[in-house]
Amino acid sequence: ELKVEQNPLFLSMQEGKNYTIYCNYSTTSDRLYWYRQDPGKSLESLFVLLSNGAVKQEGRLMASLDTKARLSTLHITAAVHDLSATYFCAVLYMDSNYQLIWGAGTKLIIKP
Amino acid sequence: EAGVTQFPSHSVIEKGQTVTLRCDPISGHDNLYWYRRVMGKEIKFLLHFVKESKQDESGMPNNRFLAERTGGTYSTLKVQPAELEDSGVYFCASSQVSGERNTIYFGEGSWLTVV
Repeated sequence: ELKVEQNPLFLSMQEGKNYTIYCNYSTTSDRLYWYRQDPGKSLESLFVLLSNGAVKQEGRLMASLDTKARLSTLHITAAVHDLSATYFCAVLYMDSNYQLIWGAGTKLIIKP
Repeated sequence: EAGVTQFPSHSVIEKGQTVTLRCDPISGHDNLYWYRRVMGKEIKFLLHFVKESKQDESGMPNNRFLAERTGGTYSTLKVQPAELEDSGVYFCASSQVSGERNTIYFGEGSWLTVV
């Protein structure tokens, strides 16, 4: 059974700091997604990581994938208040067609 | 371009009543998915349509849940009769078969409260 674990589940930090959110998954997959959700809003796609060693960056966010370690990271550089949201990682379940298995989410609060 | 839209955004119903949630995917997206997040739990897959056909409904919790996608456009998810444990957020998502096929776009969710 594919399980996805995110940590931390909650993170409060000051603006300007750096931090990393981790996403571990238990079995083989070739696709990993990062989503952002603001309260009451939709799940916004941030990154799709397709291969080992993939690294993608958008603004202050950078995501990477290590398929051998079954680990993805979402790194936040010089955090700003606007990045406050809940971040989810989701892994494609290989034995199905487009079924995503989700982490519990990381609620990120960035204080001005 | 309009995104994935869901209706209603919020609903409160009594136990035993029926609720129908609607999802309009992005135009041209053949793949449509339903997910839900019940209180305090992870987001869970419910089912996947390709056009009007159900490709995978392994996540549907029981026969009180019925999803349809007549004509391969919008989809409905009916809960009948609703139970307290059905409370949560129901997300719909869509994606293309080709092109940006790796991106799955989500709606804002339909928040269901069963009292």
